[in-house]
Amino acid sequence: EAGVAQSPRYKIIEKRQSVAFWCNPISGHATLYWYQQILGQGPKLLIQFQNNGVVDDSQLPKDRFSAERLKGVDSTLKIQPAKLEDSAVYLCASSQALEQFFGPGTRLTVL
Amino acid sequence: QQPVQSPQAVILREGEDAVINCSSSKALYSVHWYRQKHGEAPVFLMILLKGGEQKGHEKISASFNEKKQQSSLYLTASQLSYSGTYFCGTEGGYNKLIFGAGTRLAVHP
Repeated sequence: EAGVAQSPRYKIIEKRQSVAFWCNPISGHATLYWYQQILGQGPKLLIQFQNNGVVDDSQLPKDRFSAERLKGVDSTLKIQPAKLEDSAVYLCASSQALEQFFGPGTRLTVL
Repeated sequence: QQPVQSPQAVILREGEDAVINCSSSKALYSVHWYRQKHGEAPVFLMILLKGGEQKGHEKISASFNEKKQQSSLYLTASQLSYSGTYFCGTEGGYNKLIFGAGTRLAVHP
């Protein structure tokens, strides 16, 4: 069974630029999550989708971050414009039941 | 509210035991445990669903005291492969996890 796929794996941008991350969850997993993991900290949930509907986006900075999950499969997370404090690893996870399966993440560096 | 993990870091020699604690100030439906190695994605270890229930995975087991809103992860006869950062994720509903800051575990020969 293929795991959660994410791209790109690494991204370096300057502040105020835009960036987008892509996630392809495990086939059949209805729930998809985006997490932000700052170095030395635990993952922090940004947004949770159930199929193509948003379950929770209470911690998503909506003035600069946006996410969508069209057709209830792939998802994209966008940051526009980026700030220095957005430097982190962005993890995508999916689940069918309780266990969450994480992708390898995208490491974002904002200069 | 982020759960509190203790200790922050542990150094062991192969074969030694360790306990990692996770405490929440809110009522919990479940506690999830993950291990993350440097530069890799978190990997699921186990879920604790019921108060006082213990789950096991090889030489790693855990308990969940629902009334105290606490969980503990027990690593027995540690192996080099156990090295990494352990996170507990507490769930208050809808399978939404709030992760602790992590416990760094280093196992040396």
